[in-house]
Amino acid sequence: NAGVTQTPKFQVLKTGQSMTLQCAQDMNHEYMSWYRQDPGMGLRLIHYSVGAGITDQGEVPNGYNVSRSTTEDFPLRLLSAAPSQTSVYFCASSPSPYEQYFGPGTRLTVT
Amino acid sequence: AQSVTQPDIHITVSEGASLELRCNYSYGATPYLFWYVQSPGQGLQLLLKYFSGDTLVQGIKGFEAEFKRSQSSFNLRKPSVHWSDAAEYFCAMNFGNEKLTFGTGTRLTIIP
Repeated sequence: NAGVTQTPKFQVLKTGQSMTLQCAQDMNHEYMSWYRQDPGMGLRLIHYSVGAGITDQGEVPNGYNVSRSTTEDFPLRLLSAAPSQTSVYFCASSPSPYEQYFGPGTRLTVT
Repeated sequence: AQSVTQPDIHITVSEGASLELRCNYSYGATPYLFWYVQSPGQGLQLLLKYFSGDTLVQGIKGFEAEFKRSQSSFNLRKPSVHWSDAAEYFCAMNFGNEKLTFGTGTRLTIIP
């Protein structure tokens, strides 16, 4: 099993550009989540999904969209990037709402 | 409001010394409790978890944690640290919903 994979590893965007961060898991987990990690703030939940076709907002959803058309994939879309979205983004999956398994992260810089 | 607090931003210990990282929570019941470790430039790895039962739980890499209901704490311990333990440690909790709430992390530095 590859576990949770994320692409790209690094990305630089200009303000106003859009992009999609990819996340895939091969463990047949129902739950998937996106977090952002900023210095001194720990990890904050952006969006999560409890199964294909079901998504919900987390703590910091503004500026991000998600969809879940398959169990395996949970992409995160930035529609119009802002410097405040410079962060490290982690995708996680889990078989239950509880313990989660994390991908390696995507480091995003918005200039 | 539900919250997770890691009061120590940065801790430095000597190699071979014991370690205790603190974690407290605010919640009206017992949450599901986790400790994760993040090495530089890496994702988060689950060290251990507590759902119920014995309040002293063993994890990977020689770590253990003790749940103390009276103190609303779930502190992480290791009897003797190794240089490879240098990392950032996150306490996390599930308060009975679909979300994990993380503390702000404690960065551990090991000196020879």
